[in-house]
Amino acid sequence: ETGVTQSPTHLIKTRGQQVTLRCSSQSGHNTVSWYQQALGQGPQFIFQYYREEENGRGNFPPRFSGLQFPNYSSELNVNALLLGDSALYLCASSSIPGTGVKETQYFGPGTRLLVL
Amino acid sequence: GESVGLHLPTLSVQEGDNSIINCAYSNSASDYFIWYKQESGKGPQFIIDIRSNMDKRQGQRVTVLLNKTVKHLSLQIAATQPGDSAVYFCAEKGPGRTGGGNKLTFGTGTQLKVEL
Repeated sequence: ETGVTQSPTHLIKTRGQQVTLRCSSQSGHNTVSWYQQALGQGPQFIFQYYREEENGRGNFPPRFSGLQFPNYSSELNVNALLLGDSALYLCASSSIPGTGVKETQYFGPGTRLLVL
Repeated sequence: GESVGLHLPTLSVQEGDNSIINCAYSNSASDYFIWYKQESGKGPQFIIDIRSNMDKRQGQRVTVLLNKTVKHLSLQIAATQPGDSAVYFCAEKGPGRTGGGNKLTFGTGTQLKVEL
């Protein structure tokens, strides 16, 4: 167990809807990264939040957005859902990014999103 | 561009044998590498990491080797057990602190099957 929790565990939405996924980071970690993992593939980086601001973004459109709260928990929001957004969404927490100090990312169990 | 690839999609080994999982990376500037284990329905679990200023690191039953000359990473698992059956991902982190410098780039993964 990493101490990283995500909710909900599973979610079913229809095309065009909006979804919010939540993540609580491991105690002592102030950085949260979000990844999308399609079936049979490796996780793809969506974005990272540090000190409540976006600290880097992968190749995902603006309809993927996020927030980080003062307690370091985070949300991932996806608007105008597409069938291709069906995937496992993973959250990972770590300490100060890029410093080499405790930068290992520890993953939560993920949220399985199915878009119909 | 950045890419992380794995040589074999599936690796079958007998229980008690040693396993070697290989990974090639293309970003010579990457400074940190991690191996994760992912069991079905779960998030990636940290196994072992190595910084680019090292060429070998050992953990409990696992060893990671880094060859920067040929940009190759390997994970060795000693005395493979049924519980080691999972998908294994290598991931690399590019240099830098901001602008996504802490993002992890994952490969597709290798399925390790342990036969009794």
